[in-house]
Amino acid sequence: GAGVSQSPRYKVAKRGQDVALRCDPISGHVSLFWYQQALGQGPEFLTYFQNEAQLDKSGLPSDRFFAERPEGSVSTLKIQRTQQEDSAVYLCASSLAGTSGDYNEQFFGPGTRLTVL
Amino acid sequence: AQKVTQAQTEISVVEKEDVTLDCVYETRDTTYYLFWYKQPPSGELVFLIRRNSFDEQNEISGRYSWNFQKSTSSFNFTITASQVVDSAVYFCALSEAYYGQNFVFGPGTRLSVLP
Repeated sequence: GAGVSQSPRYKVAKRGQDVALRCDPISGHVSLFWYQQALGQGPEFLTYFQNEAQLDKSGLPSDRFFAERPEGSVSTLKIQRTQQEDSAVYLCASSLAGTSGDYNEQFFGPGTRLTVL
Repeated sequence: AQKVTQAQTEISVVEKEDVTLDCVYETRDTTYYLFWYKQPPSGELVFLIRRNSFDEQNEISGRYSWNFQKSTSSFNFTITASQVVDSAVYFCALSEAYYGQNFVFGPGTRLSVLP
């Protein structure tokens, strides 16, 4: 597709369940980002990949959160033993991240709304 | 540390009014990037503008204009002759890194344009 896609768009989980959220970046984009957006708040950075390498995971709130991008394209954000405070919209973004000297803007997907009951 | 403040939580205007959304940022870096994004009810973040710290020239794009003032660490956004379709949440964001990691968003301003 032309843009960043995420699936599922909506996910309801019972507390304690594991969930996996998928992100398909724009084809050819090297950089991929995950953000968490709580209701009424701005997005907060979770983690960043350049190709398959996770270069920054400083925003992951706990060790229950895990992200991977094994082949440098599709990424999965996994949350283990979900808790109610994990309820949020999870946004994925990608950017070209070339070496031309121009800043590479981030293109955002529609997000996955996770509700933990 | 980086921080972005958007003091206006919600703004309501009547169609055709002008409206300014405020953004104040904090950073210790001399090189940084500022952004505005629009988030309509569909949820997707739509890029509006990027400005680097060395370019203080104001910019106008159609009904949108941006006023960047390093002296006051502000990057305000004005919509002229607002329309109902402008109703959305608007986020100001700051990045200190070249490739966009460490993107810090403000809390957002919800703009409602009434017919």
